Amino acid sequence: EVQLLESGGGLVQPGGSLRLSCGASGFTFSRYAMTWVRQAPGKGLEWVSSISDVGKPEYTDSVKGRFTISRDNSRNTVSLQMDNLRAEDTAIYYCTTVLPNTWFFDYWGQGTLFTVSS
Amino acid sequence: EIILTQSPATLSLSPGERATLSCRASQSVSSYVAWYQQKPGQAPRLLIYDASNRATGIPARFSGSGSGTDFTLTISSLEPEDFAVYYCQHRYNWPLTFGGGTKVDIK
Repeated sequence: EVQLLESGGGLVQPGGSLRLSCGASGFTFSRYAMTWVRQAPGKGLEWVSSISDVGKPEYTDSVKGRFTISRDNSRNTVSLQMDNLRAEDTAIYYCTTVLPNTWFFDYWGQGTLFTVSS
Repeated sequence: EIILTQSPATLSLSPGERATLSCRASQSVSSYVAWYQQKPGQAPRLLIYDASNRATGIPARFSGSGSGTDFTLTISSLEPEDFAVYYCQHRYNWPLTFGGGTKVDIK
């Protein structure tokens, strides 16, 4: 059974930093691309960042230069380092697997919430 | 950036009725569209990928169609558990984007 468990949420001040992690199990992690999708309170879904199975990253424009996605295949984890945080980054962040040969998201974690506020 | 526009914003229907949800892209995305279902307090669930392929474990009452700029998700006969918000998403190029969602609620 595929399981994705996000951690690292909480409260951070504007301009601060936070690192989200997602631990994966139940599948061969190194063979799958991974993605972070966020959802601001009461709003829709927004793609944030993806990383291919070989480590190539992609980012939505609003986080380029501030967020860094990485993966550790030895620990079956994908992480999102978030710097220079803004109030508009406040959201539930979901870790997802990517359906092979697509950039669609087939398994999702339960999400982790963080709030950017002073 | 490709904009996906979903309509209607809200669809009020009764159990057993047919639901037809629309997703329109600002430019052609070939058949590279997926549909997700999200219930309150839950993570989204992949229903349909590449316009018309049902994901693993998705009931046959869910079907998708379309290509180019116009896509449709059809629920043939609404079950009580189908009342939720539905999102479309494209994978044609970067950045990936989602539509704003359609809420299917009970009439």
